[in-house]
Amino acid sequence: QQPVQSPQAVILREGEDAVINCSSSKALYSVHWYRQKHGEAPIFLMILLKGGEQKGHDKISASFNEKKQQSSLYLTASQLSYSGTYFCGTEKSNFGNEKLTFGTGTRLTIIP
Amino acid sequence: EAQVTQNPRYLITVTGKKLTVTCSQNMNHEYMSWYRQDPGLGLRQIYYSMNVEVTDKGDVPEGYKVSRKEKRNFPLILESPSPNQTSLYFCASSLSRGSSNYGYTFGSGTRLTVV
Repeated sequence: QQPVQSPQAVILREGEDAVINCSSSKALYSVHWYRQKHGEAPIFLMILLKGGEQKGHDKISASFNEKKQQSSLYLTASQLSYSGTYFCGTEKSNFGNEKLTFGTGTRLTIIP
Repeated sequence: EAQVTQNPRYLITVTGKKLTVTCSQNMNHEYMSWYRQDPGLGLRQIYYSMNVEVTDKGDVPEGYKVSRKEKRNFPLILESPSPNQTSLYFCASSLSRGSSNYGYTFGSGTRLTVV
């Protein structure tokens, strides 16, 4: 069952902040985040493991609320290079035999 | 350079003509997987492999076959392609699955059109 991402699309001006959410109806072990630019392969951003750890690098960070089975990706002071489609991927266990199931994506457009 | 290499990048074929999309990684990754990407549906997993000779179905395996005879290679086989398999295909690999901090490295994609 695919995780649900919201919003489906968002348009921001350069310098504004964005939040992308990812929700699952199942208990989660981990959440992955990827960014894909048009016509290119998805690029790995970060993984959050069960334990509620918040991660980040540069102006992109994420949180994982395992009780709510939700993760949020935060992009602060957005740059033109942040444009693309963001996908979350979820895993239900750490046994190694679980599928990584992706959401349908959030299209982020940054305009000057 | 560490990478996942898919070939071909573009392929147009006719219904029923068997084809193979190759995937190779040079990172000694244990885990490999195939996804298809369709508008509005995101990335859906076709098959995955935990290691050599170990493969399992993903969410949309019908009409596809895979094999993992060597660690580096994970070809995707369409025995009798149909128009509903027209899609953008991605191969991905990861160092390992389970209790890990490893993300996926994706290939550049193969755009397949079945007419």
